[in-house]
Amino acid sequence: DSGVTQTPKHLITATGQRVTLRCSPRSGDLSVYWYQQSLDQGLQFLIQYYNGEERAKGNILERFSAQQFPDLHSELNLSSLELGDSALYFCASSLSGHTDTQYFGPGTRLTVL
Amino acid sequence: ILNVEQSPQSLHVQEGDSTNFTCSFPSSNFYALHWYRWETAKSPEALFVMTLNGDEKKKGRISATLNTKEGYSYLYIKGSQPEDSATYLCASTGNQFYFGTGTSLTVIP
Repeated sequence: DSGVTQTPKHLITATGQRVTLRCSPRSGDLSVYWYQQSLDQGLQFLIQYYNGEERAKGNILERFSAQQFPDLHSELNLSSLELGDSALYFCASSLSGHTDTQYFGPGTRLTVL
Repeated sequence: ILNVEQSPQSLHVQEGDSTNFTCSFPSSNFYALHWYRWETAKSPEALFVMTLNGDEKKKGRISATLNTKEGYSYLYIKGSQPEDSATYLCASTGNQFYFGTGTSLTVIP
């Protein structure tokens, strides 16, 4: 158990809908990262937040947004969902930044029908 | 090198064999190199984070080295055991995080 929690575990929704994925980091960690793993693709970095502020941005679509709240939990919002958004979404946390160990949550499996 | 590349893509070894994998990454704008162990149906588990050229890290039978000037890292497993079977993933961090596609290791009892 990494100490990072993600909810829900599974999510099934329809095209055009909007969903919110939630992540709680390990106690003491200030950075949260979001990753996407699509079928037949490796892990893709989406975005990083540090202590409430966006720190780094990867290949995150404009339909996707994220935020980190004062209690350090983070939410990833996916809107106007398409079939291709079906993927496993991981959240990870670290103490501070890029040179710190990242601890991954169990992931949220999103299926868009 | 523009992307993070790992080789080989997959590897089958006998129990007790030692093995190693390679991770190649762009040497410009480099902050750190991360190694992860990823078992099927689980999430990636951090093995090492290395930042300095010449860094060597060790955890039990697994060790890693880093060459930032030429942009590569090696992961070594000594005396492979069936429980070492997993995908080994590396990631290079600069302004973003770039993951390789992993090396799938199968250790045959």
